[in-house]
Amino acid sequence: GAVVSQHPSRVICKSGTSVKIECRSLDFQATTMFWYRQFPKQSLMLMATSNEGSKATYEQGVEKDKFLINHASLTLSTLTVTSAHPEDSSFYICSARDYREDTQYFGPGTRLTVL
Amino acid sequence: GENVEQHPSTLSVQEGDSAVIKCTYSDSASNYFPWYKQELGKRPQLIIDIRSNVGEKKDQRIAVTLNKTAKHFSLHITETQPEDSAVYFCAAGGGGGNKLTFGTGTQLKVEL
Repeated sequence: GAVVSQHPSRVICKSGTSVKIECRSLDFQATTMFWYRQFPKQSLMLMATSNEGSKATYEQGVEKDKFLINHASLTLSTLTVTSAHPEDSSFYICSARDYREDTQYFGPGTRLTVL
Repeated sequence: GENVEQHPSTLSVQEGDSAVIKCTYSDSASNYFPWYKQELGKRPQLIIDIRSNVGEKKDQRIAVTLNKTAKHFSLHITETQPEDSAVYFCAAGGGGGNKLTFGTGTQLKVEL
């Protein structure tokens, strides 16, 4: 299957700071990427759909000004958690659409801990 | 929007037995149904998927069935092995380029 990378894998930050997470498709171009968050022992909840060259589409209840998404190239999407608070601590996972198979492959995830 | 229900939440089987996980969905427009396996702290990995134009798909020990009329699909794992132990998620959506709605997950434990 296709390869998707995510960086960093783990980040600890202080409350009030901003954190940027990168999602890259390594061996294919991804016009569409998705950002999810996952709390312990829970399912994946879609936060937003990221489309290359256009604004992201956010799911209901997700603050677009808090979770900034940029999809500036066909292989890179970034999620910035602004003014992070402890309740933002979670596992953030991206996925990318592989157009060759019309399916989604996930990155390894980023464990965010806000102190 | 789409709503996906998944059962059971936990499943324990003896090594060599079969395991079945079932999902139902609500949106008749959904036409793509992938299954992901997630080990603790790791990424979900696609193990099999099925599209609405077929009723069954098999890949070695793994098979998926789809009943569009009843809006349900199932994952079947035969000859289970300890390394099959993980959380399995079903999902439904309109194709890989469209958003997926995930089920709540099934913790599968294969005991020796």
